[in-house]
Amino acid sequence: ETGVTQSPTHLIKTRGQQVTLRCSSQSGHNTVSWYQQALGQGPQFIFQYYREEENGRGNFPPRFSGLQFPNYSSELNVNALELDDSALYLCASSSLGGINYGYTFGSGTRLTVV
Amino acid sequence: AQSVTQLDSQVPVFEEAPVELRCNYSSSVSVYLFWYVQYPNQGLQLLLKYLSGSTLVESINGFEAEFNKSQTSFHLRKPSVHISDTAEYFCAVSDPDFGNEKLTFGTGTRLTIIP
Repeated sequence: ETGVTQSPTHLIKTRGQQVTLRCSSQSGHNTVSWYQQALGQGPQFIFQYYREEENGRGNFPPRFSGLQFPNYSSELNVNALELDDSALYLCASSSLGGINYGYTFGSGTRLTVV
Repeated sequence: AQSVTQLDSQVPVFEEAPVELRCNYSSSVSVYLFWYVQYPNQGLQLLLKYLSGSTLVESINGFEAEFNKSQTSFHLRKPSVHISDTAEYFCAVSDPDFGNEKLTFGTGTRLTIIP
């Protein structure tokens, strides 16, 4: 079974630009969650998608948005990038209600905003 | 809201010595508890988890963690560490307000093994 795949692995953007990060979930998983991990910090929950609908959101502004597709893959979009958006963005897949099995995390996309 | 405290940001340990990484969480209700490991330039890997039942949980590579409800702790231990254990370790707790679908992580403990 394939794991969680994220693309791109690294990205450099200018302040004010928009960015789209992509995630392919593990086979058999129908839920995707996105986390932001700033340097030296633990991951922070951005939001979760289930059946193409947002299923919970953390303390992030509306310029952070997402999509989930029928094949359960997902995108994270960030508009009007700020310097503080520089971080490792982690995608995690699971089955809804299956968090007790633990998420499967991708290797992340490292975003640098200059 | 949940919170997780990892008291030690860095722990240096000699090879083959024991180690304990400390984790305390804030919730007074039933939650799920996890330890994840992150190797350089990689994502998070699940090390072990506590859901219910026995308070001592073990991983396949020799780590164990003990759930202590009265102290709201979930400390990670290994009796003898190896160079390959060098990594960042994150403690996490599920959030019942989100149907336990959201994890709140601590700030991590960097474990460095000294040869």
